[in-house]
Amino acid sequence: DTAVSQTPKYLVTQMGNDKSIKCEQNLGHDTMYWYKQDSKKFLKIMFSYNNKELIINETVPNRFSPKSPDKAHLNLHINSLELGDSAVYFCASSQLAGGLVTDTQYFGPGTRLTVL
Amino acid sequence: AQKITQTQPGMFVQEKEAVTLDCTYDTSDQSYGLFWYKQPSSGEMIFLIYQGSYDEQNATEGRYSLNFQKARKSANLVISASQLGDSAMYFCAMREVNNNDMRFGAGTRLTVKP
Repeated sequence: DTAVSQTPKYLVTQMGNDKSIKCEQNLGHDTMYWYKQDSKKFLKIMFSYNNKELIINETVPNRFSPKSPDKAHLNLHINSLELGDSAVYFCASSQLAGGLVTDTQYFGPGTRLTVL
Repeated sequence: AQKITQTQPGMFVQEKEAVTLDCTYDTSDQSYGLFWYKQPSSGEMIFLIYQGSYDEQNATEGRYSLNFQKARKSANLVISASQLGDSAMYFCAMREVNNNDMRFGAGTRLTVKP
């Protein structure tokens, strides 16, 4: 069974559309994350949720809205997509929230978003 | 300020040889964790190895070891007996006790030659 799964794996859409990416983890972890990896492979955190509560909200446009219906799921909804949103989006999970430096994050397979 | 620096954009190594991927970090915290991840061409991020700032011994996981030099703030990844399947991007990352998030370096692309 896949530990952290994301759907879809590929997403191609037109500018201005609204799209969602879903993430689920079956590791029993309390914390989930969204990262964006740009074309130069730079990985940057966007959001983090602990037990359905937002604990990290980096400077991202408010067109991006995470939703956590339960601690096993963290979805990412993007409104009014722009060309610059094209990237690979990774979901990750870890056992605990911050304050524990040993807390390893486990990543999903990524979703490649292409905005035309 | 950049917290994690990987100075080698690309590295080549001959199959079966060892290779060291460099990582330096910047923190004022006494407690922090250092991680290495592998990203093959298929795109997934695979956790490789962890080193805690208070760990006295260098971490090892199979063919991976972490050369931790705390005073120099470096956490280099050593891969022994390189295999063709080791060709990938490698990311160094740090988690500080006073931060909820993990910061990643820019990555090093390793190519193993047959």
